[in-house]
Amino acid sequence: EPEVTQTPSHQVTQMGQEVILRCVPISNHLYFYWYRQILGQKVEFLVSFYNNEISEKSEIFDDQFSVERPDGSNFTLKIRSTKLEDSAMYFCASSEQGSSSSELFFGEGSRLTVL
Amino acid sequence: GENVEQHPSTLSVQEGDSAVIKCTYSDSASNYFPWYKQELGKRPQLIIDIRSNVGEKKDQRIAVTLNKTAKHFSLHITETQPEDSAVYFCAASLTGGSYIPTFGRGTSLIVHP
Repeated sequence: EPEVTQTPSHQVTQMGQEVILRCVPISNHLYFYWYRQILGQKVEFLVSFYNNEISEKSEIFDDQFSVERPDGSNFTLKIRSTKLEDSAMYFCASSEQGSSSSELFFGEGSRLTVL
Repeated sequence: GENVEQHPSTLSVQEGDSAVIKCTYSDSASNYFPWYKQELGKRPQLIIDIRSNVGEKKDQRIAVTLNKTAKHFSLHITETQPEDSAVYFCAASLTGGSYIPTFGRGTSLIVHP
């Protein structure tokens, strides 16, 4: 069964450093998303991406964040200058355009720890 | 925007008992309500969903009910088993377009053998 894959599974970084989280969505999916989950809290929407551009973003997704689809398979989230409060599990997800179920398929997550 | 509230945050039951998790939403235009299960250390996965044109949906031991007037929906698990132990998230969204589900805080269900 196709799966969304994410790398790295865990990254530890110093405050102020840049971080890039990578995702490979399911190949026939056209909508891509990043969510984050601070420990013990809800899954929060960051950004959605369709047709090579951001379609929606939340208040969390400020100028420190950016997304890119550098090639036909990867979807990346970049945090330019990490803060302590960026420590969270970051989930990538994808969905199939026109799917009647509108199901989100999540990756296993990338745990980011900012020291 | 949409706001989803979920209760309880923790639910502890004995094996064989039923478990009910409740969610409310704020945007009356929302028409799609999925439930995701996240086992410890794993990715959230869809377990059941319901659309606004039905009031109830059942899949073996899992059922979801929707009350559009009151803007709340619930997950019911009967004959709980230890493998049902996980965090359950409800969500609400509009189908079509960019589809951005808003999630609840999650309920940690613990089923004691």
